[in-house]
Amino acid sequence: QTVVTQEPSFSVSPGGTVTLTCGLSSGSVSTSYYPSWYQQTPGQAPRTLIYSTNSRSSGVPDRFSGSILGNKAALTITGAQADDESDYYCLLYMGGGSWVFGGGTKLTVL
Amino acid sequence: EVQLVESGGGLIQPGGSLRLSCAASGFTVSTNYMGWVRQAPGKGLEWVSVSYSGGDTYYADSVRGRFTISRDNSKNTLYLQMYSLRAEDAAVYYCARGHHSYSFDYWGQGTLVTVSS
Repeated sequence: QTVVTQEPSFSVSPGGTVTLTCGLSSGSVSTSYYPSWYQQTPGQAPRTLIYSTNSRSSGVPDRFSGSILGNKAALTITGAQADDESDYYCLLYMGGGSWVFGGGTKLTVL
Repeated sequence: EVQLVESGGGLIQPGGSLRLSCAASGFTVSTNYMGWVRQAPGKGLEWVSVSYSGGDTYYADSVRGRFTISRDNSKNTLYLQMYSLRAEDAAVYYCARGHHSYSFDYWGQGTLVTVSS
């Protein structure tokens, strides 16, 4: 059973830059997994930020960017704002019509 | 404007069945793949199932054989029929529209399923 790994928590100062990562328990994440990223605040539905590794969803500010860093997918937030404090989930397409979410990263802005 | 509205959640006893609906507007479900994602209380997101416009359907191991995804194109609605429900199926169930690059771009507000005796 493949596990998608994310940092459980992260902290960033207002105006700072943070990079969240998304890895595999076995192997490397590549663009072939079509990594996507979702933001969720408590009690709300997820919001799509990034799809296909580095494409921003409509209306998402350009301070959110996606990439592959080493053997992981990455979400970088540049110039963090207070309302970026949320849970962030990555999603990988595993092939054969199957997807797996990472466990999520709780981002604190303080 | 794309909208997805889920319904059908509620309290159900273990072993029971429930059908969730997801009414779509602003686009036609027949031309998109559609999926269900759930979130147990205090937990992360879990992909549950997907229905492709061509008819193929796929399921997470945790629900395969117990859940059935379907769509009614005439009603522009996606469904999730859930059988043999277990305590661990309790979650908010989200409907989501598939994006062409193996992701989901629009989400419903979710419907809560509680499994308890």
